Amino acid sequence: EAGVAQSPRYKIIEKRQSVAFWCNPISGHATLYWYQQILGQGPKLLIQFQNNGVVDDSQLPKDRFSAERLKGVDSTLKIQPAKLEDSAVYLCASSLEPGGYGYTFGSGTRLTVV
Amino acid sequence: AQSVSQHNHHVILSEAASLELGCNYSYGGTVNLFWYVQYPGQHLQLLLKYFSGDPLVKGIKGFEAEFIKSKFSFNLRKPSVQWSDTAEYFCAVNARDTGRRALTFGSGTRLQVQP
Repeated sequence: EAGVAQSPRYKIIEKRQSVAFWCNPISGHATLYWYQQILGQGPKLLIQFQNNGVVDDSQLPKDRFSAERLKGVDSTLKIQPAKLEDSAVYLCASSLEPGGYGYTFGSGTRLTVV
Repeated sequence: AQSVSQHNHHVILSEAASLELGCNYSYGGTVNLFWYVQYPGQHLQLLLKYFSGDPLVKGIKGFEAEFIKSKFSFNLRKPSVQWSDTAEYFCAVNARDTGRRALTFGSGTRLQVQP
């Protein structure tokens, strides 16, 4: 089966600019997650979708981050405006159902804010 | 909310040495436990998982982990490491008894195996 697709692979922007990341989960996976992985740290959950509804966005900095999952398939994560501390790898993962069962991760988007 | 601690940030071993990576979690309820591995330049992959039953879990590539409920631990072990085991290892947990089911990860342990 095809994996979780993410694009772009790399992005360099200046602070205060905006940026968007795209994720296409595995076909049929109802649950989609966005994680932020800062260098030297483990992935931190930003948002969890079940189909096109938000299950958990408690750790999403909503003043600058937004995410949507229209039609319950693809998802985009946006940062506007970016700060230096947003430099990280943004990982998308999907699973058939909520929970730790059958998580599949994408390769991530490495964001550098200068 | 649950949390995960991995106290070994960087481990260097010679080939054939035995490996044990520590993982402790903090949560009062029932949990599922996982170990993920990230090889250089690759995405996170599942090594093994524990949901219930036998607390000694065997995973891929000769790895195993033991769940000790009284110690809130889920340490990863391998009797003899290979150079190809060089990677970053993440312990993760999710709470089974709440509606929030996303994984919470530890900070990771970078394993370097020298030939």
